[in-house]
Amino acid sequence: DIQMTQSPSSLSASVGDRVTITCRASQGISNYLAWFQQKPGKAPKSLICAASSLHSGVPSRFSGSGSGTDFTLTISSLQPEDFATYYCQQYNTYPFTFGPGTKVDIK
Amino acid sequence: EVQLLESGGGLLQPGESLRLSCAASEFTFSSYVMSWVRQAPGKGLEWVSSVSGSADSSYYADSVKGRFTISRDNSKNTLYLQMNSLRAEDTAVYYCAKGNRGRGVVYFDHWGQGTLVTVSS
Repeated sequence: DIQMTQSPSSLSASVGDRVTITCRASQGISNYLAWFQQKPGKAPKSLICAASSLHSGVPSRFSGSGSGTDFTLTISSLQPEDFATYYCQQYNTYPFTFGPGTKVDIK
Repeated sequence: EVQLLESGGGLLQPGESLRLSCAASEFTFSSYVMSWVRQAPGKGLEWVSSVSGSADSSYYADSVKGRFTISRDNSKNTLYLQMNSLRAEDTAVYYCAKGNRGRGVVYFDHWGQGTLVTVSS
């Protein structure tokens, strides 16, 4: 199975900050990488697919990049509604696997 | 707007069985892979199973293989997860997720609100 890691596991940031989260796959997955946002008690929301394509309705302050094994999610200017946990997920091969998550909270 | 509504969760004892349902609407159900993803309390997301739009292919996580069965009724726009021989470690919120195409590997573009399954003696 493909293992997904994320760093950092948590971070504290202020409104307006630029935030970058890193995701790494244990083997190459081309660009079959998705990012999801989850708030406490809520279902995940789709943010990005194919490593860098924004899901419909997602604000342009979110962006993704990478290919192969190394990927990043960037929030260019953190907004109050962005405080949440973010997960990466590979869908290159079954079984699909998720990263452990990165919790973004208020500094 | 895509709608996914899970139901069927509850409190069960180890070894018991349960069937979850996910009612889908506002898209052509039979044209898309559907999946189940779970989240144990306080933990991360874990993919459980996926089934192709035509139901001719299905995939399972090792943790549930042989105990869980995914199925769909395209005439009823409903996805199912039959869960047998339940264990305490199956305790989780179970989410239904829609894929972005009809077969093969997919991106989860829409999620349901989840249904809680608790397995405890």
